[in-house]
Amino acid sequence: TQLLEQSPQFLSIQEGENLTVYCNSSSVFSSLQWYRQEPGEGPVLLVTVVTGGEVKKLKRLTFQFGDARKDSSLHITAAQPGDTGLYLCAGAPRSYSGAGSYQLTFGKGTKLSVIP
Amino acid sequence: ETGVTQTPRHLVMGMTNKKSLKCEQHLGHNAMYWYKQSAKKPLELMFVYSLEERVENNSVPSRFSPECPNSSHLFLHLHTLQPEDSALYLCASSQEVHRGETQYFGPGTRLLVL
Repeated sequence: TQLLEQSPQFLSIQEGENLTVYCNSSSVFSSLQWYRQEPGEGPVLLVTVVTGGEVKKLKRLTFQFGDARKDSSLHITAAQPGDTGLYLCAGAPRSYSGAGSYQLTFGKGTKLSVIP
Repeated sequence: ETGVTQTPRHLVMGMTNKKSLKCEQHLGHNAMYWYKQSAKKPLELMFVYSLEERVENNSVPSRFSPECPNSSHLFLHLHTLQPEDSALYLCASSQEVHRGETQYFGPGTRLLVL
């Protein structure tokens, strides 16, 4: 069973601070996706990383996929109240292995609160 | 309407009720999914449909019964649920049902079973 551990579980910071959240596994993934979920809504895709060592930037958000494709990080610069939400990472299986291969493995998420 | 829509957004039901959740996607996708999101747990995949055919059922109790009449619509029929079934039920769709496909989620139905 592939598991994704996200840390920290909860994070409360002041507006303008920087932060990093992590997504770790002992399994290798073919790709990894980051979603943000706001209260009362479904998750919204932020980015997909595919290549080991890949870095992608989305405005103040920087995503990195580990060299071994087992882990990823999300760094937010100068956090704003609009960044508040649940950040989920989800890994796609490396190879087809029968039932369950369609599944994305989700972490439990990091709940971020940015205080004005 | 664009994206993935779900109705109702909130539902309260007793354990003997029968209700249905509805999902509709306006993205022209061929794959649709039901997920369960409970507090302090990762998203749990329940069912996967590809071109109206169920391709995966993750050992979900029979009190949950999915239906996919066409590639744009997905239902989850609920019958004699338990309080522990209270959760956010999310529908998602993707272009195809391949691994790693980007999934687009609806807003969810918040279900409370009394």
